[in-house]
Amino acid sequence: KQEVTQIPAALSVPEGENLVLNCSFTDSAIYNLQWFRQDPGKGLTSLLLIQSSQREQTSGRLNASLDKSSGRSTLYIAASQPGDSATYLCAVEAAGNKLTFGGGTRVLVKP
Amino acid sequence: NAGVTQTPKFRVLKTGQSMTLLCAQDMNHEYMYWYRQDPGMGLRLIHYSVGEGTTAKGEVPDGYNVSRLKKQNFLLGLESAAPSQTSVYFCASSYTKRRYNEQFFGPGTRLTVL
Repeated sequence: KQEVTQIPAALSVPEGENLVLNCSFTDSAIYNLQWFRQDPGKGLTSLLLIQSSQREQTSGRLNASLDKSSGRSTLYIAASQPGDSATYLCAVEAAGNKLTFGGGTRVLVKP
Repeated sequence: NAGVTQTPKFRVLKTGQSMTLLCAQDMNHEYMYWYRQDPGMGLRLIHYSVGEGTTAKGEVPDGYNVSRLKKQNFLLGLESAAPSQTSVYFCASSYTKRRYNEQFFGPGTRLTVL
């Protein structure tokens, strides 16, 4: 059974510092990995999707890497801003078009 | 283009009552999903559908039923609500093609069962 873990569960950084969020998964037979952002009381917004054949994806200040063999993905957010404060979730897709989610990392960027 | 919408946004039920949550998408997606989110546990898949008229069980299906009578709608039913079903429920949809199976999420329904 696929298990997805995100450590730490919470993170607080001063504005301007780079954010590094970690995601690990137990079964490397995945089709893709997605990173989501969730604001309090809101739904999930997809940030980046990395297909299994890719090693990284970039969008603006966001960069996500994927190492299938070691079962790890890292989301980097450069020059963090208070508006980046949210919970970040990673999820892997395996057979059957189903996502398995990690528990999320709650991020607070202090002005 | 509204994307994925959910009704209602909030609901309070008493133990044993029943209710139906409605999810609608206007992106002509084949796949639709229902998840529940509990504190510190991420999202867990309840049921999903790979097309109109089809449904399948996810990770935590007990106590829930679903129906997909129309391609754009996916209904989640609770026949006899229990306090353990207090949660935030999210609906999602995605394209058919695997390479582009990015899931799009609705805003959620916060359900409390007393």
